[in-house]
Amino acid sequence: RKEVEQDPGPFNVPEGATVAFNCTYSNSASQSFFWYRQDCRKEPKLLMSVYSSGNEDGRFTAQLNRASQYISLLIRDSKLSDSATYLCVVTPGNMLTFGGGTRLMVKP
Amino acid sequence: SQTIHQWPATLVQPVGSPLSLECTVEGTSNPNLYWYRQAAGRGLQLLFYSVGIGQISSEVPQNLSASRPQDRQFILSSKKLLLSDSGFYLCACHRAGANVLTFGAGSRLTVL
Repeated sequence: RKEVEQDPGPFNVPEGATVAFNCTYSNSASQSFFWYRQDCRKEPKLLMSVYSSGNEDGRFTAQLNRASQYISLLIRDSKLSDSATYLCVVTPGNMLTFGGGTRLMVKP
Repeated sequence: SQTIHQWPATLVQPVGSPLSLECTVEGTSNPNLYWYRQAAGRGLQLLFYSVGIGQISSEVPQNLSASRPQDRQFILSSKKLLLSDSGFYLCACHRAGANVLTFGAGSRLTVL
């Protein structure tokens, strides 16, 4: 089993739709969680951290479920510019472990 | 804030040729530095990390090596490239005071 698993997608959604991604992790001792966004042929950039109580940043909401060992990212009112690959990152200890990413394509 | 410079941005190399990718960091001191590789359509694979000058840890055995000759310089090398070395190489740095990685713009390597 991979340490961090994501559905690779692609998720094809129309503009304005709500879409959610999940990411499961295997190490129950993981302490820090993040979502990164990676545009085609570019470097990953931090989208948001994921806090235990859940957190929101505009149209983006991140949640953590420690009991089931997964984190989620919800995007409301999708924009064309949201099209990208979303990488889940988990930190068991000092090293960051990346998921394979979920590709999102928002269509007009 | 931290800035990471990587070069070259793109290169095409023949099998068996040597490789040197450079990464320098500005805006921080004594950073933890990382080299990742991303094959086409795949996730990020950690290759090397360094917590200080001359300190290199390898995560995956392969024909690549890394060196850290200065506090804010991290170099990825190979003596003889393989076809399987093709990929997108990313240098990253821990953001000061936070458990968050900042990436350079990457070096895209194609081995023919």
